Amino acid sequence: AQTVTQSQPEMSVQEAETVTLSCTYDTSESDYYLFWYKQPPSRQMILVIRQEAYKQQNATENRFSVNFQKAAKSFSLKISDSQLGDAAMYFCAYIPTGSYQLTFGKGTKLSVIP
Amino acid sequence: DGGITQSPKYLFRKEGQNVTLSCEQNLNHDAMYWYRQDPGQGLRLIYYSQIVNDFQKGDIAEGYSVSREKKESFPLTVTSAQKNPTAFYLCASSVLDRDNSPLHFGNGTRLTVT
Repeated sequence: AQTVTQSQPEMSVQEAETVTLSCTYDTSESDYYLFWYKQPPSRQMILVIRQEAYKQQNATENRFSVNFQKAAKSFSLKISDSQLGDAAMYFCAYIPTGSYQLTFGKGTKLSVIP
Repeated sequence: DGGITQSPKYLFRKEGQNVTLSCEQNLNHDAMYWYRQDPGQGLRLIYYSQIVNDFQKGDIAEGYSVSREKKESFPLTVTSAQKNPTAFYLCASSVLDRDNSPLHFGNGTRLTVT
């Protein structure tokens, strides 16, 4: 069974600074996708970034980037120039290609300090 | 605006009563999903559907039932057999493709059973 582990239940960052959220996963598949979702206090899940496992290049979306280490099964999220609106729960998720069962980690609560 | 609508936002029921949570999407997505979220937990898949009149159990289907009579609608019934029904429920939809297109989520329904 696939598992996704987020080892940091809570993190904090000063406004304008950079923070990295950790995620590791366990799988025997070679072809899969990884996601980071953000859940603000409104509780709606918002896609932050998506990474295809077959791509060597790390995905980026504006201030958000990932460090994807396939051999280590690690998928960390870096948030640069942190803003107050980045405060939220962040969930890492994994899905094998062609599957419909997305496996989520337990989440990291990020606080942004003004 | 295309999106997913879950209603109501808050729902209260007495123990022993069945309750149905509504989920409607106008994104023309084939696949729809129901997730349950508990404090300190990631999202766990209850049921998913890839096509009208067909659905599959997820990891925690016991005590729940669904129907998919229309492409746009995927209601979830929480039955009296569900031992711990109080939770936050999220509905999602996605394009049905091999590239694992990201899920789009609704705003959720908070169910409290007393």
